[in-house]
Amino acid sequence: EAQVTQNPRYLITVTGKKLTVTCSQNMNHEYMSWYRQDPGLGLRQIYYSMNVEVTDKGDVPEGYKVSRKEKRNFPLILESPSPNQTSLYFCASSSLGGTRAFFGQGTRLTVV
Amino acid sequence: GQNIDQPTEMTATEGAIVQINCTYQTSGFNGLFWYQQHAGEAPTFLSYNVLDGLEEKGRFSSFLSRSKGYSYLLLKELQMKDSASYLCAVRAHSGNTPLVFGKGTRLSVIA
Repeated sequence: EAQVTQNPRYLITVTGKKLTVTCSQNMNHEYMSWYRQDPGLGLRQIYYSMNVEVTDKGDVPEGYKVSRKEKRNFPLILESPSPNQTSLYFCASSSLGGTRAFFGQGTRLTVV
Repeated sequence: GQNIDQPTEMTATEGAIVQINCTYQTSGFNGLFWYQQHAGEAPTFLSYNVLDGLEEKGRFSSFLSRSKGYSYLLLKELQMKDSASYLCAVRAHSGNTPLVFGKGTRLSVIA
């Protein structure tokens, strides 16, 4: 079954404690991206990747890092999380030139 | 800059027809997407328009006018399960460049 898998689904952490949210897709897609979704602000892109070892900043990259060492995985790293990074995060993938994106189930992160 | 506008909330009656509008101002245009998102869940793809006109898919249709920077999503024979947010998104450039999303329209279907 074609899918994008994020882990964990829910996470509560403390300010400053490094964390990683994993994202994996089984569709051999070149393009992967991370979004955060906040009430009243909609989906905003954090980072995206066109292929292995190629990453670019989206609209709200501050406080986040990503890596793309393998085609299927695109982890999101928060080196020093802060409360303003409390949000719902989505990973998405698509083929280059594809007409639709597939989204993961979402990760609800709370930073206290 | 990129700007996508859609109404924040709409309410419609079960069995009725509802039209959700989306206007966009982007530096370029290479396709418009509609996604459905139930509360707390992932967005799911509904439709894609790149040429002017109407695309019909079952109870859902999507229309695009590139000259007006305008699209709408039409939902017919509304069902309670259609209560969700509907997201309009534009790909501003060619290739697999990032989608710019509107803030979404929350649709409530009432009996």
